[in-house]
Amino acid sequence: ETGVTQSPTHLIKTRGQQVTLRCSSQSGHNTVSWYQQALGQGPQFIFQYYREEENGRGNFPPRFSGLQFPNYSSELNVNALELDDSALYLCASSGTGGDRTQYFGPGTRLLVL
Amino acid sequence: SQELEQSPQSLIVQEGKNLTINCTSSKTLYGLYWYKQKYGEGLIFLMMLQKGGEEKSHEKITAKLDEKKQQSSLHITASQPSHAGIYLCGADNNNNDMRFGAGTRLTVKP
Repeated sequence: ETGVTQSPTHLIKTRGQQVTLRCSSQSGHNTVSWYQQALGQGPQFIFQYYREEENGRGNFPPRFSGLQFPNYSSELNVNALELDDSALYLCASSGTGGDRTQYFGPGTRLLVL
Repeated sequence: SQELEQSPQSLIVQEGKNLTINCTSSKTLYGLYWYKQKYGEGLIFLMMLQKGGEEKSHEKITAKLDEKKQQSSLHITASQPSHAGIYLCGADNNNNDMRFGAGTRLTVKP
C-alpha cells in the first residue's frame, strides 16, 4: 500500500509569484485535505476535496485554490504569494465509510522571500 | 468553532521516565486523534478515540478520552529517545476539517 506523497519537498519563491504543490493520496482514499502549518503552530485547514469537488474550506483567501483529479491526486495553488505564506504545507488523505482518519504526507516546505 | 489547548507546550524528560500530555477541547469531542510529528515532517497517526471513557494503547503509548468527552490525555511509559518529537491532538470539526492543538514538543534525554 502506497502512502501519501507530496512534491516538491522544498520550494523557494519570491513575493507576488505563484506556486503549485502536488499530492498523491494513499491507495483506496478518495478524499484529500490540505493544511498550512506555520512554525511552532498546529496545522490550519485550508480546504478538502472529495470526488473532484471542494468539500469544505477554512479561513483562507481565494488566492488559495485547489484541484482534485480523477485518480484522487490533488494540487494546491497559491497566487500572489505573500511573506506570511511561508510554511509547511501538508496534504492528508482519507477514505470512505465511518473511518475519517486522515493520513498525512511528508509536507512541502515553502519559503517566500 | 472548536478550540484545542494542549499542555504542556514543551516537556523535557530523562529516558525511562513516564510522562503525560493533555488536550482540552472547548466543545464536546466526537473524534479525537493523536499524531506525532518530527520537526519539519509530516504527521504520523498514533490513535483515534471516539467514545467517552475509551482507552487505547500502542506499544508504550496510551491515550484516553474522558467520560465528558472534552479532554484527552496521552501517556508514555518508560520514555525512549525515539519518542521525541511534537505530539499533536486533532478533532473532527463540522466543516469536514480537523482542528489541531498547537502541539507539545517532547525531548527525551539519554
